[in-house]
Amino acid sequence: GNSVTQMEGPVTLSEEAFLTINCTYTATGYPSLFWYVQYPGEGLQLLLKATKADDKGSNKGFEATYRKETTSFHLEKGSVQVSDSAVYFCALRVLETNAGKSTFGDGTTLTVKP
Amino acid sequence: GAVVSQHPSWVICKSGTSVKIECRSLDFQATTMFWYRQFPKKSLMLMATSNEGSKATYEQGVEKDKFLINHASLTLSTLTVTSAHPEDSSFYICSLRGTGAYEQYFGPGTRLTVT
Repeated sequence: GNSVTQMEGPVTLSEEAFLTINCTYTATGYPSLFWYVQYPGEGLQLLLKATKADDKGSNKGFEATYRKETTSFHLEKGSVQVSDSAVYFCALRVLETNAGKSTFGDGTTLTVKP
Repeated sequence: GAVVSQHPSWVICKSGTSVKIECRSLDFQATTMFWYRQFPKKSLMLMATSNEGSKATYEQGVEKDKFLINHASLTLSTLTVTSAHPEDSSFYICSLRGTGAYEQYFGPGTRLTVT
C-alpha cells in the first residue's frame, strides 16, 4: 500500500532560520508528491508539487525535490517568517491506482518566533 | 484554482441530533468530491468519495448510514452526520478534484462539536 512518513513535530524556529521538514514515502506505482499547508482553523492549501523523479517544486520560498532513490520529498526554506507558522502535510497520489486518492502524512506543526 | 466553500464553518449540536454540512464549488463543476475527517493534531482521514449523480464510495470502517453523503449537483455535495455523538466531534474537510490530473482543492473545513 501507500504511506507517507513525516518528521514529527512540533518544530519551533526563530525568524530567518533554515527549515527542513523530512518526508519519506512508500508507494505502489509511480506517485506524484505534494506539500500542503494548513493555517489554524482552515483547510489545506497546496504549497508545491512534483510529478516525476528529480523534479523540484517551489513556491513562496519553499522547495522540495522528488528523490526516487531515497523515496523522499523533504521540504526546505532558507529563511522562515512568523507568517509561515502552520501545519505542513506531505502527501502522495498514484493516479493509476486507488482511484487517484491522496495519502497524507500526519502533519508537522511549525511555529516561528520573532 | 477552484474556490471551495463549506457551510457552516463551525457547529455545536446536542447528542442524538443530525447535522448537515454543505460543500460548494463556487467556480468549478466538480464531478468528484472527497470528504475527510481530521482529528486534533492528526492527518486527514478519507471518509468517502462522492460522484455527482451516484452513490458515494465509503472507505473501510466508515459507517455509510451514519455519514450520509449526497452529491446532487456538480457544485454541491453534502455530508449529514446522523444521530451525532460526542465521538463524532471533529474537523470535516471537503475537497474536489480538478480537471488536471494533479489538482485537488480543499474547503476551509467545518468544526463539529457534539455535546
